[in-house]
Amino acid sequence: NAGVTQTPKFRVLKTGQSMTLLCAQDMNHEYMYWYRQDPGMGLRLIHYSVGEGTTAKGEVPDGYNVSRLKKQNFLLGLESAAPSQTSVYFCASSYPTGTSGNTIYFGEGSWLTVV
Amino acid sequence: GENVEQHPSTLSVQEGDSAVIKCTYSDSASNYFPWYKQELGKGPQLIIDIRSNVGEKKDQRIAVTLNKTAKHFSLHITETQPEDSAVYFCAASIPGYGGSQGNLIFGKGTKLSVKP
Repeated sequence: NAGVTQTPKFRVLKTGQSMTLLCAQDMNHEYMYWYRQDPGMGLRLIHYSVGEGTTAKGEVPDGYNVSRLKKQNFLLGLESAAPSQTSVYFCASSYPTGTSGNTIYFGEGSWLTVV
Repeated sequence: GENVEQHPSTLSVQEGDSAVIKCTYSDSASNYFPWYKQELGKGPQLIIDIRSNVGEKKDQRIAVTLNKTAKHFSLHITETQPEDSAVYFCAASIPGYGGSQGNLIFGKGTKLSVKP
């Protein structure tokens, strides 16, 4: 049981290049999330999905797109990378508990540098 | 929208001492308050959580208290050990924000250093 797996772990991009971060979870979770973490800023939600085929915007969605074609996968795309997107990206997943609040399980992170 | 403030941003304690990290939230509708621990190079991991119908919860050396009236909650770590050194994040969840379950709004984190 691997939990939440992210690939790649490290990537350097040139400004204007595109790339996709891959996230896979093997816990059969309905909800999946992409966060970015910047020094002094905590974790900020980029996009999330409440089920296969659905996506929604979080706090900082600009410059990113996502897709959830399969329940276990959640992809984060950067169409035209900018230096401001240099960050650590975390994928996460959770399951509905029937009450408020989900226990969110995070991946190990993907370090992205845009030069 | 919801805002979560976390203090202090850094905290240094001697091994064996207690550590307290405090968070305040702005939206009185928030009803779920987890705490995450992030070790260097790793993803955040849930260590304890509390819901709004409970005032305190303990798990061995870790406890969380919630004051709904004042809209603040705190993490207490007793008998600290070097392996407690990490960044700790508080978060708050608002029902209806991001689906029926509510997405989390995180504080900016506290870097805890436990000196042997």
